[in-house]
Amino acid sequence: DQQVKQNSPSLSVQEGRISILNCDYTNSMFDYFLWYKKYPAEGPTFLISISSIKDKNEDGRFTVFLNKSAKHLSLHIVPSQPGDSAVYFCANNAGNMLTFGGGTRLMVKP
Amino acid sequence: GAVVSQHPSWVICKSGTSVKIECRSLDFQATTMFWYRQFPKQSLMLMATSNEGSKATYEQGVEKDKFLINHASLTLSTLTVTSAHPEDSSFYICSARSGMNTEAFFGQGTRLTVV
Repeated sequence: DQQVKQNSPSLSVQEGRISILNCDYTNSMFDYFLWYKKYPAEGPTFLISISSIKDKNEDGRFTVFLNKSAKHLSLHIVPSQPGDSAVYFCANNAGNMLTFGGGTRLMVKP
Repeated sequence: GAVVSQHPSWVICKSGTSVKIECRSLDFQATTMFWYRQFPKQSLMLMATSNEGSKATYEQGVEKDKFLINHASLTLSTLTVTSAHPEDSSFYICSARSGMNTEAFFGQGTRLTVV
């Protein structure tokens, strides 16, 4: 069974600075993770993913780091922009299902 | 990314009536579709997983007779909330994927309010 945890329910960052969102998991058998961004009353949108063959994946302002030994991954957003303000979910892809963390609400202040 | 369309985006219904929510993959064949429910300020909770042409697999605690899921084609899945009650009011989201270890794309979500 897989558990995915985002221990910070919220994060406030100044515009232009780096946002770091963290995620921990319990079962290393399923080392494929995705990050989703969600605005209120909308479905999540896919941001970036990473698999166990990598420890880093970068896409523009978004970089995800995977530390398999610590069972930890993080999403870095730099520079942060006010439009990044949303709830971010990390999710683990275990075969035929996605397990989501509880989400972190990011607020980027102008 | 791929497009998943969910309809309606919001619905208000009377207690005791049934509501159907549609989820369509517009530009890919969705072998698997997922239905989630989100309570305010909480994470997405998986309700059920459906593969085209077969019965849905429901998560523990989800009543399959109340939340009827049909995945009749590779582009369409429906969730019917039967005999809805106020406690069924929630935000329902579908997602679809074309195969294992691929990204799941989400619909826009449906806000259901039962009065």
